[in-house]
Amino acid sequence: GAGVSQTPSNKVTEKGKYVELRCDPISGHTALYWYRQSLGQGPEFLIYFQGTGAADDSGLPNDRFFAVRPEGSVSTLKIQRTERGDSAVYLCASSTTGGTEAFFGQGTRLTVV
Amino acid sequence: DQQVKQNSPSLSVQEGRISILNCDYTNSMFDYFLWYKKYPAEGPTFLISISSIKDKNEDGRFTVLNKSAKHLSLHIVPSQPGDSAVYFCAASDEKWRDDKIIFGKGTRLHILP
Repeated sequence: GAGVSQTPSNKVTEKGKYVELRCDPISGHTALYWYRQSLGQGPEFLIYFQGTGAADDSGLPNDRFFAVRPEGSVSTLKIQRTERGDSAVYLCASSTTGGTEAFFGQGTRLTVV
Repeated sequence: DQQVKQNSPSLSVQEGRISILNCDYTNSMFDYFLWYKKYPAEGPTFLISISSIKDKNEDGRFTVLNKSAKHLSLHIVPSQPGDSAVYFCAASDEKWRDDKIIFGKGTRLHILP
């Protein structure tokens, strides 16, 4: 596609529920990132994929968070037993190579009530 | 522990004047630096980048300077109303393939008419 696409754009869920957030990167981009942005903060790194493998998942806050990229393209961020503190905008980005210019999607705003 | 610091949460500049946004970093392994611009309800968009081996990079009205130890600045000349946005400084350790991009908290730039 022309840009990074994230779905849904908004998600409201009840505390304790499971959610999946999807990211379609720019075609041909091998690097894919997930970030989380809370109000007044910069994007906080969660996980980075190079191809199908998670090259760095050091930013995942705990084991309730998991991400996959099975075919090296689309990625899904999965959050189990959601908590109110998980409410944030979840951003996905992709790039041709890691560490250089990454292009962001518009984000998914997750609200846990 | 913030590895990328933007110590000015906001900045107001008169239209037509120069806007200077500052960024400091603590990790000496960082060797690639990026600036992103973000409008409300949109993902960050890449603006300009610089490698640590260069001291200046220009792109139209935007210039990034890397002349002081662990310090960068983004210059916008002349400032225009459409430049009002949040600007994020970011850094990565490209040389050693530690490719996650770390962001600062951002500076909100207001261009005054």
